[in-house]
Amino acid sequence: SQTIHQWPATLVQPVGSPLSLECTVEGTSNPNLYWYRQAAGRGLQLLFYSVGIGQISSEVPQNLSASRPQDRQFILSSKKLLLSDSGFYLCACSPGTGREKLFFGSGTQLSVL
Amino acid sequence: AQSVTQLGSHVSVSEGALVLLRCNYSSSVPPYLFWYVQYPNQGLQLLLKYTTGATLVKGINGFEAEFKKSETSFHLTKPSAHMSDAAEYFCAVSDTGSTLTFGKGTMLLVSP
Repeated sequence: SQTIHQWPATLVQPVGSPLSLECTVEGTSNPNLYWYRQAAGRGLQLLFYSVGIGQISSEVPQNLSASRPQDRQFILSSKKLLLSDSGFYLCACSPGTGREKLFFGSGTQLSVL
Repeated sequence: AQSVTQLGSHVSVSEGALVLLRCNYSSSVPPYLFWYVQYPNQGLQLLLKYTTGATLVKGINGFEAEFKKSETSFHLTKPSAHMSDAAEYFCAVSDTGSTLTFGKGTMLLVSP
């Protein structure tokens, strides 16, 4: 079964600093990959998803970006963090279409100060 | 477009009492429906899912949910709450796309 590695678990960054969160997947090939953000009381917001290497779909326009340099690697980045970027970021994968269940990583708690 | 509404951001029950977490959805096609659970500072785990067939779906930890097309609902129930059930629960829907749409979540509080 799939295993998702996501790091770091917690991160405190100053406003205006860059960001790089990494997610890697084991146990599957050519998965769909997702980045979600969870803010208190707002549920999970889909930020990006990818159906293959180099293919990124953005759901919410913002100062974040995503890249998929390898089949099982998904990176969330920002050049300059905003206070509003604080939240709990979750990487997820599914073996095929999104109609199958998602497997989630353990998340990264990002605090922008 | 698909959407999910979870009624109640917080639900409180006593240990041993019935758990009922409500979820209503909208979808342009027959949906796939999911319930996920999240424990503090962790990712989400799948509790159960409905795709096709039997409308009553049984999941892990004694939870079950019933798909009611006429009511566009997929409520989650458990006959007897346990302290370890305290967590946040998310309902999600998928129609024809590659993504799931999640509700805002319901925090389940269980008191002794």
